[in-house]
Amino acid sequence: ETGVTQTPRHLVMGMTNKKSLKCEQHLGHNAMYWYKQSAKKPLELMFVYSLEERVENNSVPSRFSPECPNSSHLFLHLHTLQPEDSALYLCASSPGQGAFVAYNYGYTFGSGTRLTVV
Amino acid sequence: GENVEQHPSTLSVQEGDSAVIKCTYSDSASNYFPWYKQELGKGPQLIIDIRSNVGEKKDQRIAVTLNKTAKHFSLHITETQPEDSAVYFCAATGGYQKVTFGIGTKLQVIP
Repeated sequence: ETGVTQTPRHLVMGMTNKKSLKCEQHLGHNAMYWYKQSAKKPLELMFVYSLEERVENNSVPSRFSPECPNSSHLFLHLHTLQPEDSALYLCASSPGQGAFVAYNYGYTFGSGTRLTVV
Repeated sequence: GENVEQHPSTLSVQEGDSAVIKCTYSDSASNYFPWYKQELGKGPQLIIDIRSNVGEKKDQRIAVTLNKTAKHFSLHITETQPEDSAVYFCAATGGYQKVTFGIGTKLQVIP
């Protein structure tokens, strides 16, 4: 167990569906992240949260909507996705410095949600 | 912004041999360089990291070297074992505190 738990592990959804991905960390970290992993591409940062506040949104389409109700939980709400959104979605956490995200610490990743949009 | 290039994209070695993966970066202000290992069906796992004030770091069979002048850093795995087979990613944290990942190297250790 890595300390970061993601559910579900696999998800198949139609383009008109609404679904949510869940992430939970038990490490006491201040910062949480959503990354998209596609074949033959570097990891793409989607969102960054520090102490439940969104500190970064990397030009992600509005069909992806993050939510961070507390420092241990992170959600990614999905609606009207496109087939090109099919990918592995990874949640990660890292130590922070209060309200600041310290990028010079390593991440702890979850195992990801394999999303297929049909 | 930061650009990280990683080579090779695939690497096959015989069990017991050494493996070396190299990354170059573009932002001279980058100060933190982690390496991650991703096994099939799992998320990336931090295996070793190095900061810009250190030239080399070792942890058992794994070592990382950093050449700030040339702006490159490398992962060295000695006495490779089948369980080392995975995809390895390098990353660099740049001057704007952005983390940029390499594209990954698929390492296969042949028994």
